Amino acid sequence: NAGVTQTPKFQVLKTGQSMTLQCAQDMNHNSMYWYRQDPGMGLRLIYYSASEGTTDKGEVPNGYNVSRLNKREFSLRLESAAPSQTSVYFCASSEARTSGGYGYTFGSGTRLTVV
Amino acid sequence: GNSVTQMEGPVTLSEEAFLTINCTYTATGYPSLFWYVQYPGEGLQLLLKATKADDKGSNKGFEATYRKETTSFHLEKGSVQVSDSAVYFCALTPSGGSYIPTFGRGTSLIVHP
Repeated sequence: NAGVTQTPKFQVLKTGQSMTLQCAQDMNHNSMYWYRQDPGMGLRLIYYSASEGTTDKGEVPNGYNVSRLNKREFSLRLESAAPSQTSVYFCASSEARTSGGYGYTFGSGTRLTVV
Repeated sequence: GNSVTQMEGPVTLSEEAFLTINCTYTATGYPSLFWYVQYPGEGLQLLLKATKADDKGSNKGFEATYRKETTSFHLEKGSVQVSDSAVYFCALTPSGGSYIPTFGRGTSLIVHP
């Protein structure tokens, strides 16, 4: 099925550990995004990549790094996990390049707990 | 800056009731407007959209009309089902720049049999 695939679906980390969240899309979309979702906070943009080879900070980039590996893949790395990074992480993609009229396609999320 | 305001939930309805979830926005120019739905344990799914004033987006019995004069995009459904229970997000994408969307905080809908 076409869409956005995220791995892993669940993860528990100890404080200070590192990990990479993987995201891949097979819709040939130019733009990819990483969000976190916390109760009462809605969706907050961490980083985005408007096109292959570019990445930019979003609203809450501290403690994260990203890599746009190719047009399909966009990974999110936590170098030293903190309890404040306990959240649900969503990857999304969009064809948005010349118009804002395209919607997003979201992955099913990674539920991360940092203890 | 851009902003989206949704009514706070949860909205609790009986099956077959009429649904309205209010959404108003602040943005310059002519943004595109969207509604997304999130079922428990899943990611957001695009429900409907409208890209210019007076357009009506519709899908699965849900409708929303882009009202430029009132800067609103209210979501409606004539007869809700238990399976419509989910969180609904209103969003806008600006008409220029990087097209990064702004999301509302979401409104939880609970439908009882």
